[in-house]
Amino acid sequence: DTAVSQTPKYLVTQMGNDKSIKCEQNLGHDTMYWYKQDSKKFLKIMFSYNNKELIINETVPNRFSPKSPDKAHLNLHINSLELGDSAVYFCASSPFDRNTEAFFGQGTRLTVV
Amino acid sequence: AQSVTQPDIHITVSEGASLELRCNYSYGATPYLFWYVQSPGQGLQLLLKYFSGDTLVQGIKGFEAEFKRSQSSFNLRKPSVHWSDAAEYFCAVVASGTASKLTFGTGTRLQVTL
Repeated sequence: DTAVSQTPKYLVTQMGNDKSIKCEQNLGHDTMYWYKQDSKKFLKIMFSYNNKELIINETVPNRFSPKSPDKAHLNLHINSLELGDSAVYFCASSPFDRNTEAFFGQGTRLTVV
Repeated sequence: AQSVTQPDIHITVSEGASLELRCNYSYGATPYLFWYVQSPGQGLQLLLKYFSGDTLVQGIKGFEAEFKRSQSSFNLRKPSVHWSDAAEYFCAVVASGTASKLTFGTGTRLQVTL
């Protein structure tokens, strides 16, 4: 049973396209996140949702729009893709409490050509 | 603002040798600290965490880390490295606030020679 699952694992698309990445967790957690890992392996948070409510938005271009239909799902939609959006995107989840760790999905490698 | 520094970008050790990966943090309050490992093409797996209490914490795969408040450090150690330990290792701190927003270091790539 995969705790945090993302689809697709790989995504290759052309500049200007719109694409979505889906994330689901079966851990019963309240909080979900999107992190971006750039080509130098640096990881940075993009968004966080708690019970479908946006609680963290880290200066991300508004071409990126997260959507949480329920607390087990957090999808990431990206409009007008640019070359610089190429990265690995990780979904994660955790209980709404600092005394816990985040559980990560396997990542989605997005390549914009 | 909180930050995490991993001064070693790349470390190479021989199989069976001991390992220490360095991590320094900057955070105003009591930090919650983590080490994650990322194998090639894989997601992030938690190795260990420190929230409070005993400053020497044990993790999975034979790893341990020691929290030293005076040095603002949380170094990761393993007494005998296996070839399968080759991976990218990330130290992270939870920032203040009500959500577990992780701030990561830049990572250390571990190469293991046979």
